[in-house]
Amino acid sequence: SYELTQPPSVSVSPGQTANITCSGDKLGDKYACWYQQKPGQSPVLVIYQDTKRPSGIPERFSGSNSGNTATLTISGTQAMDEADYYCQAWDSSTGVFGGGTKLTVL
Amino acid sequence: QLQLQESGPGLVKPSETLSLTCTVSGGSISSSNYYWGWIRQPPGKGLEWIGSIYYRGSTYYNPSLKSRVTISVNTSKNQFSLKLSSVTAADTAVYYCARHGLFTVAGHFDYWGQGTLVTVSS
Repeated sequence: SYELTQPPSVSVSPGQTANITCSGDKLGDKYACWYQQKPGQSPVLVIYQDTKRPSGIPERFSGSNSGNTATLTISGTQAMDEADYYCQAWDSSTGVFGGGTKLTVL
Repeated sequence: QLQLQESGPGLVKPSETLSLTCTVSGGSISSSNYYWGWIRQPPGKGLEWIGSIYYRGSTYYNPSLKSRVTISVNTSKNQFSLKLSSVTAADTAVYYCARHGLFTVAGHFDYWGQGTLVTVSS
């Protein structure tokens, strides 16, 4: 079965850039998307189709996807960005989520 | 604004069947090009896709759960439902319903329900 692998945790200082990776076999041939989830809340879509931002998502969130790795980049990270982040893709008609990355803003 | 709301029992006994319904408001479940899915999250753990349905009834299931899962749709009530049979404590989770587009083209979940915690315990 298809798997997506994320680092369990990433730490970043306020104002710096955070990069969260998501790895999967030939992931670059699929569309990847990213969700932000804060404690006790439902996930929120922050990036879709590799690089697109939904309405209302700050410009500091960006994405890329090539080869076997998709990356979520948060530029000028703010304290409010501290959350769990999940990547997601489809393997044909089977949905797959990464294990999640806890972003800590120190 | 599209809204999704899960409903159903919060406590299910082991070996019984978990049943949840998602009610869609602010839009039609019969919209072309949209699918309706269930995702779950065990306490303190990550997200797991359970399955999805198209309004015409086509279903798609996670292979790891396929033998126990049934998803159905009721277009007249603008609802879709989840049944998970033979539950164990490992099925304890927050269950979310959500909307997504065509799988490999627009398969991102853009609208989510608030989630409902289902505990499996005797």
